[in-house]
Amino acid sequence: DGGITQSPKYLFRKEGQNVTLSCEQNLNHDAMYWYRQDPGQGLRLIYYSQIVNDFQKGDIAEGYSVSREKKESFPLTVTSAQKNPTAFYLCASSTQGAGNQPQHFGDGTRLSIL
Amino acid sequence: GQNIDQPTEMTATEGAIVQINCTYQTSGFNGLFWYQQHAGEAPTFLSYNVLDGLEEKGRFSSFLSRSKGYSYLLLKELQMKDSASYLCAVMGDNYGQNFVFGPGTRLSVLP
Repeated sequence: DGGITQSPKYLFRKEGQNVTLSCEQNLNHDAMYWYRQDPGQGLRLIYYSQIVNDFQKGDIAEGYSVSREKKESFPLTVTSAQKNPTAFYLCASSTQGAGNQPQHFGDGTRLSIL
Repeated sequence: GQNIDQPTEMTATEGAIVQINCTYQTSGFNGLFWYQQHAGEAPTFLSYNVLDGLEEKGRFSSFLSRSKGYSYLLLKELQMKDSASYLCAVMGDNYGQNFVFGPGTRLSVLP
């Protein structure tokens, strides 16, 4: 079945360590997104990509990096510069430029600090 | 700037009707989405409105007034499984760049 797969489901980071969250989709969507969700809050956009080899910063990009080498994949790296990384991270994809097409979400990765 | 407001929490009884409101101020408007999110899970799409009026989908309906920057999600015949957070999201100009989520409304359905 088509969908978005995020891994791992749970991830722990040590001080000063970079960690990478995986996001893969087989929906043939052009656009992909990364959101951060803190307890009791809405989703905040970290990065998004509308096409392969291109991506744009969202509202809270500092301390994060992404790549988009393949249409299917949009990994997110949480660097040591992100001082408060504990959160629920959601990856999404959508058909590019279609106003009535919703975003489809993966099951999320919960990141915690050791 | 862009801003979306929703009530933080609501409580309703099984079998009842509940209305969750959403007000928004965004740069441009290309549609409003409602999502349901159970705790610790991914949001799932419920409805989409781009024109004024009511869209009905089974037990769920969504209303939009563009002139008032206002939408609501109406849930009928509430069931225990409807206990979840409900997220309002607006697609502004430039689509993905301006896809803004509200803080969500946590709905508790009581027996």
